[in-house]
Order: sequence, then C-alpha cells, then structure tokens
Amino acid sequence: DARVTQTPRDKVTEMGQEVTMRCQPILGHNTVFWYRQTMMQGLELLAYFRNRAPLDDSGMPKDRFSAEMPDATLATLKIQPSEPRDSAVYFCASGLSTEITDTQYFGPGTRLTVL
Amino acid sequence: GQQLNQSPQSMFIQEGEDVSMNCTSSSIFNTWLWYKQDPGEGPVLLIALYKAGELTSNGRLTAQFGITRKDSFLNISASIPSDVGIYFCACAGNNRKLIWGLGTSLAVNP
Repeated sequence: DARVTQTPRDKVTEMGQEVTMRCQPILGHNTVFWYRQTMMQGLELLAYFRNRAPLDDSGMPKDRFSAEMPDATLATLKIQPSEPRDSAVYFCASGLSTEITDTQYFGPGTRLTVL
Repeated sequence: GQQLNQSPQSMFIQEGEDVSMNCTSSSIFNTWLWYKQDPGEGPVLLIALYKAGELTSNGRLTAQFGITRKDSFLNISASIPSDVGIYFCACAGNNRKLIWGLGTSLAVNP
C-alpha cells in the first residue's frame, strides 16, 4: 500500500531556528504539493511541483520559506528563521497529473510548534 | 484567498442516521472532490466528480456535482462510529489548483 511519508511527525522549536520538513512522494507520482493547515485558515497551498519543477509557490512567504525537490523521491520545505505564527500542521501530498486534474494523496503531516 | 462555503460546520448524530453536507461557491469549477481527515492524519480522497450533474457513489457515500458547477453535496447513509472525522470539499478551476472548504466536523454517537 503506497503512501506519502513525512518526517518528522512532530517538531517543537524555538523562534529563530531553522526548520526542515521532508516528504517522500509515492513512487511514480509526478506532482508534489505542500500545504499548511490551521484552524483559522484551513488548508492553504504553499507550493506545487510537477516533474520536480516548481509551478506555483505564490502561497508561500518568500522571505522565510523555501521548497525544493532535489530528486524525485524527496521534497523539502524549509523555514528560516521560524516564527511562532508558523505553528501549524504541514502536509505534503503527491499525485499524478492528468488532463483533467491533479489527484492528491496526502501524507500524515508534520505538526510544527514554534515557541 | 478564495474559499468554498462548506456547511454545516459541525454535526453530531446518532449511529445509523444519514448525514448530508454541502459545499457552495460563487465561482464555477470543473472538478469537485470530497476528502475525509481522521485525527492526526492527512486528508484522504473519498470521491472525485468531474462532470456537472454527475452523481457518484462509494459504498455508503454518495456525492453529486451540481448542475451549475457551483456546488456539491456529500451524503453518508447509515452512519457508523468510524465515519467520525472532518470532511472537506475541494474544487479545481482552469488552473487546476485546488481550493478547499473549511470542513464539516462529524461526530457519531454509538
């Protein structure tokens, strides 16, 4: 049963520290998404890759957030420096891009707490 | 940013009851999706709708893509305790980016 994996599952850090979250997409999927989930805002799309190329990162604060796909099996989301308002659950999703839509299969998430 | 209006925000029902929730938008979309999120997990796709008027079932779940392409509903028949969770609608327009509702939280009393 193929699944998206994310590490770490939980991260507590202090304001100003760098945070790196990792995602392993499902083998064969060509799209990767990073989302942030909070109670107030719900699910917000941060970044979107297709065939490892960034297609849309308009939802991501550029000054402190960066997303990369060094290879097809790894996607990273980095926050530097982290701030308390970054506390949220960060989800990675992968999928297959078709003519109709991009299906998305979510990982279990990384719960980030910035003190 | 643009969001979908999902209602109700929460529901508390007895096991065995049927459930209905819906999602509306002021814009037209080409794809409507329904996801369920269990505590501590990511959303899982339940049903995907690609054609206006389409009615699709997945076990006890039934969803319809509104004919105006501005709404969708999800029905759950004969609810069971494992139906507990948050149900999200999401839809995609021409740019294929998903826009998400804020979810309907479902609690089932055994």
